[in-house]
Amino acid sequence: GQQVMQIPQYQHVQEGEDFTTYCNSSTTLSNIQWYKQRPGGHPVFLIQLVKSGEVKKQKRLTFQFGEAKKNSSLHITATQTTDVGTYFCAGGTNDYKLSFGAGTTVTVRA
Amino acid sequence: DAGVIQSPRHEVTEMGQEVTLRCKPISGHDYLFWYRQTMMRGLELLIYFNNNVPIDDSGMPEDRFSAKMPNASFSTLKIQPSEPRDSAVYFCASSFSLNVQETQYFGPGTRLLVL
Repeated sequence: GQQVMQIPQYQHVQEGEDFTTYCNSSTTLSNIQWYKQRPGGHPVFLIQLVKSGEVKKQKRLTFQFGEAKKNSSLHITATQTTDVGTYFCAGGTNDYKLSFGAGTTVTVRA
Repeated sequence: DAGVIQSPRHEVTEMGQEVTLRCKPISGHDYLFWYRQTMMRGLELLIYFNNNVPIDDSGMPEDRFSAKMPNASFSTLKIQPSEPRDSAVYFCASSFSLNVQETQYFGPGTRLLVL
């Protein structure tokens, strides 16, 4: 079945620095979604990418969907303490299910 | 809008007991999903419904797990009998008319501990 791999599993970042988390699928995706889960909270939708090579930005967050629609990345610039949490990518296929990656847990040192 | 509502928020039970988790999706959403989250296995899709009908239950771990959706505003996930390895956070999520994959809105989760 479809598998979505996400790296790194943990990211410890100095406040103000940039980082990137990567997502790879074993199969071609119809779309990819990104969610953020704060400690003790629930996943909250951030964004969806549908088109090959698509790039979307949300303030300091930049999301990219690969040309082959099998990989994606999330890049955060100038990390802030509010960025703490776990970021999940979720790959969608034509059967309407989402396969979630294991997530990248981000901690920030001030 | 109140969002997806789940109850109870926390459940502690003993092995062998029956556990029932409840979910009220966002009004108007016609897809409902049950997920389980653990440190070891991450976020796993257990089952999902469309218009109250189960579409895919391939993620349900075993016969001890069952899910129902008697109407558009209510779903249950039942574990009978429960085992310690069922301890996890169970999330319910809902979405509207999956065409090219709509956003899933997650509830706050039920934190289950089976002793």
